[in-house]
Amino acid sequence: NAGVTQTPKFQVLKTGQSMTLQCAQDMNHEYMSWYRQDPGMGLRLIHYSVGAGITDQGEVPNGYNVSRSTTEDFPLRLLSAAPSQTSVYFCASSFEGSGNTIYFGEGSWLTVV
Amino acid sequence: AQSVAQPEDQVNVAEGNPLTVKCTYSVSGNPYLFWYVQYPNRGLQFLLKYITGDNLVKGSYGFEAEFNKSQTSFHLKKPSALVSDSALYFCAVKWSGAGSYQLTFGKGTKLSVIP
Repeated sequence: NAGVTQTPKFQVLKTGQSMTLQCAQDMNHEYMSWYRQDPGMGLRLIHYSVGAGITDQGEVPNGYNVSRSTTEDFPLRLLSAAPSQTSVYFCASSFEGSGNTIYFGEGSWLTVV
Repeated sequence: AQSVAQPEDQVNVAEGNPLTVKCTYSVSGNPYLFWYVQYPNRGLQFLLKYITGDNLVKGSYGFEAEFNKSQTSFHLKKPSALVSDSALYFCAVKWSGAGSYQLTFGKGTKLSVIP
């Protein structure tokens, strides 16, 4: 039972480089999202998707891009990495509906130098 | 707008003593409330949630939380703390209306259980 799987676990980027964080879930969840976690700030929503082909911005979308071509996958792209994007990134998923529990992946630790 | 406050950055408790991690929230309309726990270098694990019904919610690992609408609070409690409960705890809120997708988190409370 894999749940929400994120890769890579750790990554170091140089300023200006681009990269993609991968996220996959095997629970047939309609809703998927990306959060970033920064010290003393909790988790903040970057982008989310309510189904294949449908995405929307969260609280902190600038500098990130997403797409949802399948129900299972929801990659997060950093277009031109900046030191301010050094953070821990979490992918999450749930069945659609406000009361449903959101399940999180193990996280991706990203450092931009 | 919705928000969550966890007023304590850190809570220290002796092993075997009861523990409380505080959470207050602000949301328009009825809230859905969640608690998550995060161990070092790990993802968030779901502990419990309040959707409707009984104000006392029981969750994983012996934790429970009490929803108090008048005080807009959802404090996490456990009768007897274990050293293994030491972790970072997050309270989160979501508006219960249709089309509500954003889970808003507090800043987290670090719980240290002292042997």
